[in-house]
Amino acid sequence: GENVEQHPSTLSVQEGDSAVIKCTYSDSASNYFPWYKQELGKRPQLIIDIRSNVGEKKDQRIAVTLNKTAKHFSLHITETQPEDSAVYFCAASFTGSYQLTFGKGTKLSVIP
Amino acid sequence: NAGVTQTPKFRVLKTGQSMTLLCAQDMNHEYMYWYRQDPGMGLRLIHYSVGEGTTAKGEVPDGYNVSRLKKQNFLLGLESAAPSQTSVYFCASSNLAGAQGSEQYFGPGTRLTVT
Repeated sequence: GENVEQHPSTLSVQEGDSAVIKCTYSDSASNYFPWYKQELGKRPQLIIDIRSNVGEKKDQRIAVTLNKTAKHFSLHITETQPEDSAVYFCAASFTGSYQLTFGKGTKLSVIP
Repeated sequence: NAGVTQTPKFRVLKTGQSMTLLCAQDMNHEYMYWYRQDPGMGLRLIHYSVGEGTTAKGEVPDGYNVSRLKKQNFLLGLESAAPSQTSVYFCASSNLAGAQGSEQYFGPGTRLTVT
């Protein structure tokens, strides 16, 4: 089955700096890659996603890039703010699958 | 529009006891999922359903059973609770299958402790 590796497990950045979280996936047939944000004590919520026919997608301060050849995708957060502090999960799904496979999460701390 | 709701929010069980967690969604979604979240382990899929009357096993199904008798409800049962089932349980729903690229909407979670 699908396997998704996520790095780093924890990340601390100064407010205003950029943060990058990387994920690799095992199944070359994977075609959908969402990112979820989970604030402390809250439910996960989708923040951005990308499909395999697109190399990059941006939404204000966040962007996701996909390298299908290397089977990895990354989340980029620019001009980080304290409210960006949360756990971020990447996920992947392959053609024909009903489910998502999640990475183990990255705890991002933005230091004011 | 309540979205996805879960009952109860918290529960403490003794080893060997049984319980049922209820998930309800009012978005008319076909697909529903049960995950467990443990520290450092991310979200692991227990069971899922692709429509009313259907269920399927996920990554960690042992010790759990599910039912989807109505489209809006997805029940997760623990027949004989074990300390290893101490976790936070999240239900989610979506209107398309995972690979079709549909957002999964999560419930608020149920924190279960088994002593």
